[in-house]
Amino acid sequence: SQTIHQWPATLVQPVGSPLSLECTVEGTSNPNLYWYRQAAGRGLQLLFYSVGIGQISSEVPQNLSASRPQDRQFILSSKKLLLSDSGFYLCAWSVHLGTEAFFGQGTRLTVV
Amino acid sequence: GIQVEQSPPDLILQEGANSTLRCNFSDSVNNLQWFHQNPWGQLINLFYIPSGTKQNGRLSATTVATERYSLLYISSSQTTDSGVYFCAVDNQAGTALIFGKGTTLSVSS
Repeated sequence: SQTIHQWPATLVQPVGSPLSLECTVEGTSNPNLYWYRQAAGRGLQLLFYSVGIGQISSEVPQNLSASRPQDRQFILSSKKLLLSDSGFYLCAWSVHLGTEAFFGQGTRLTVV
Repeated sequence: GIQVEQSPPDLILQEGANSTLRCNFSDSVNNLQWFHQNPWGQLINLFYIPSGTKQNGRLSATTVATERYSLLYISSSQTTDSGVYFCAVDNQAGTALIFGKGTTLSVSS
């Protein structure tokens, strides 16, 4: 069966520091991968999606970037964190675009 | 873009009660999912239901795509049902899920 791993679970980082969040999927090949962010008390918003290695699409302009160095690995990065980057970040995967999506356990990021 | 509205925003129940959560969406969709977000933040898939009716134990869901709404039924609620329930539909390109603001359910014993 397919599983999705996301780490770390929680992270406290100072303003201006770099960020790297990692997500990996097991048990499937060539998944579509997604990064979502959930601000406190609000719904989820898509940040990036990827349909293949090296293929990244951004949905909203922000201080973040994403990379997909391997088929089942998706990384969310920032060179310099802002206070507004605080939130709950979730990675997700699906077999195809528009099909059922499955989410990781999330990373709670606090920028101080 | 597609708008997703969920109601009610908050719901307080006694254990054993039944409830109905509603999701309205503004355009035709190919994908509709219901999720339960537990206290630790994890999104648990409940139903993938772009149309029709499905049941899983005490939970069931119905989507009437032609009328652009979906309902989630919770019967004999338990304290472990507490959390936030999200409805999400795909955008026109199928590249993202558009989430509603959720229904926060609190079940007390």
